[in-house]
Amino acid sequence: TQLLEQSPQFLSIQEGENLTVYCNSSSVFSSLQWYRQEPGEGPVLLVTVVTGGEVKKLKRLTFQFGDARKDSSLHITAAQPGDTGLYLCAGVTGGGNKLTFGTGTQLKVEL
Amino acid sequence: DAGVTQSPTHLIKTRGQHVTLRCSPISGHKSVSWYQQVLGQGPQFIFQYYEKEERGRGNFPDRFSARQFPNYSSELNVNALLLGDSALYLCASSFGGSTSYEQYFGPGTRLTVT
Repeated sequence: TQLLEQSPQFLSIQEGENLTVYCNSSSVFSSLQWYRQEPGEGPVLLVTVVTGGEVKKLKRLTFQFGDARKDSSLHITAAQPGDTGLYLCAGVTGGGNKLTFGTGTQLKVEL
Repeated sequence: DAGVTQSPTHLIKTRGQHVTLRCSPISGHKSVSWYQQVLGQGPQFIFQYYEKEERGRGNFPDRFSARQFPNYSSELNVNALLLGDSALYLCASSFGGSTSYEQYFGPGTRLTVT
C-alpha cells in the first residue's frame, strides 16, 4: 500500500508568516499534485510536478518535487487569510488512472 | 459552464440500508472517478470509469459498486451500509482516462450512517 504522509497535520499562523508543508512517501511516483480544499467543496488542483528536483512557483506558493520523486514540499510566503484550507498532496502511479492522496494539512491563517 | 455536479448534497441512512450517489461530469469529459473522504483525512480512491468501462478499483469491499452511463454520468452504489461508511463521497471528472488529464472535483455528497 502506498502511503503519503503530510506534516504538519495542523498549522495555525498569523497573516504575513511563512510556512512549509511536507509530503513524504517510501514509494516513487511518476508525478505529484497539490490540491487545496475548502469546507463544503471538492479539492482544487494547484500544481503538478513531474521531474525529480522540479520547482514550480504559483504567486506566493512554491512547490518542489524531491530528486527521488518520493517527497514534495509546499512553501507559502507571507500567508494571507485566503490561504486557509486543507492542503492535500496526491501521487500519480504508473498507468496513471488513480490518485493516492496524502493525509492532509489543515492550515488556518489569522489576521 | 457547469462544473461537476453531485446529488444529493447530504443524506442520512441507517445501518444495513443501501444508498445510490449520482455524479454528472463536466460536459465533454469522458472519465469519472469516485473517492471517499473520511473526516480529517485525504480522499481514498474507490473507482474510475472511462468510456463506460471500469478502469481502476481501489481497496474497497464488494459492497461498493459503480457504473457509468452513455451520457458519461455515473452512480456509486453502497450496499449493507456500515457506520464506517460515513464520509464525504467525491466525484471527479476528466477528459481522458489517465491522470495526465486534470481531474475536476465536485462538491461531494455527505453520507451519514446511523
